[in-house]
Amino acid sequence: EPEVTQTPSHQVTQMGQEVILRCVPISNHLYFYWYRQILGQKVEFLVSFYNNEISEKSEIFDDQFSVERPDGSNFTLKIRSTKLEDSAMYFCASSSNNGETQYFGPGTRLLVL
Amino acid sequence: KNEVEQSPQNLTAQEGEFITINCSYSVGISALHWLQQHPGGGIVSLFMLSSGKKKHGRLIATINIQEKHSSLHITASHPRDSAVYICAVRSGNNDMRFGAGTRLTVKP
Repeated sequence: EPEVTQTPSHQVTQMGQEVILRCVPISNHLYFYWYRQILGQKVEFLVSFYNNEISEKSEIFDDQFSVERPDGSNFTLKIRSTKLEDSAMYFCASSSNNGETQYFGPGTRLLVL
Repeated sequence: KNEVEQSPQNLTAQEGEFITINCSYSVGISALHWLQQHPGGGIVSLFMLSSGKKKHGRLIATINIQEKHSSLHITASHPRDSAVYICAVRSGNNDMRFGAGTRLTVKP
């Protein structure tokens, strides 16, 4: 069964460093999403992406964040200058159509020291 | 006030019991999702609802649009059902709002 994959599974970085989190959505899906979950808190929407552009973003998704689909398979989330409060689990998801069931990746656990 | 409220926050049941988890929301929605988050953190989508009722195996999800309320039921619960169950609503755009989750523990 096709699945969403994410790399790395864990990343530790120093405050101020740039990180890139990678996702490979399900191959025929057209809509892509990033979410984050700070430890012990609820999942939060970051951004949705369709047709090579952002379709929606939350207040969390400020200028420090960017997303890109550099090729036909990868979907990346970049944090330019990480802060301590960026430490969280980051989930990628994809869906075939807008409003359809989203399939989640296993997550990347980011720790900013 | 949270836009998505779940109850209970924690639920412990004996194997075989019928379980109900509730979700109330305060915004207009185009769809409601029930998700399952395993102890390792992975998230699985269980249902997406915009009206009525859906059933998959031992799981049943219902939604009442007028009352802005949804329920997730688990029949004949099993220890492997132990997880956090999350309600999430999608408004007219692609923005998803999540509840805090209900932690379910099913004891053998």
